[in-house]
Amino acid sequence: AQTVTQSQPEMSVQEAETVTLSCTYDTSESDYYLFWYKQPPSRQMILVIRQEAYKQQNATENRFSVNFQKAAKSFSLKISDSQLGDAAMYFCAYRSPDQKLVFGQGTRLTINP
Amino acid sequence: DGGITQSPKYLFRKEGQNVTLSCEQNLNHDAMYWYRQDPGQGLRLIYYSQIVNDFQKGDIAEGYSVSREKKESFPLTVTSAQKNPTAFYLCASRTGTDFYNEQFFGPGTRLTVL
Repeated sequence: AQTVTQSQPEMSVQEAETVTLSCTYDTSESDYYLFWYKQPPSRQMILVIRQEAYKQQNATENRFSVNFQKAAKSFSLKISDSQLGDAAMYFCAYRSPDQKLVFGQGTRLTINP
Repeated sequence: DGGITQSPKYLFRKEGQNVTLSCEQNLNHDAMYWYRQDPGQGLRLIYYSQIVNDFQKGDIAEGYSVSREKKESFPLTVTSAQKNPTAFYLCASRTGTDFYNEQFFGPGTRLTVL
């Protein structure tokens, strides 16, 4: 079975600085999708960024980028120029070929003003 | 506005009672999902449905039941057999035609069993 591990339960960063959240996963599939979701205090799940496994180029969405290392099964999220609104729980998720999402345990990100 | 609605936002029930959580989407999505989230944890899949009148168990289906009689609706019933039903429940849907097939989430229902 596929598993997703986020080894950092909590992270904090100074406003305007850069922070990297870690995620590793386990799968025997060769083609799959990976996602980072943000869950603010409202608890609405918001898609931050996505990556297709067969694409070597790392995905980027404005201040958010990923470091995708397929061989190492690693999918970290980098947030540049951190803003107060970035404070939230961040979940890494793996999508299996049968379209089911498997989530990590989450990382709580605090932004210090 | 297209989206996913879940009602109610907060739900209180006495132990031993069945309760049904509503999930409606007007996105014309084919697939729908129910997740459970416990404090400090990620989401776990309860049930999912790829098409009307069909659904499959997820990882933690025991004590739950669903129906999918209409494309727009996927209600979840938490039965008295669910030993620890207090949790936050999230519904999601996905189109079968979008390239990324990403799941869109509703705002969630917080269920508290007293």
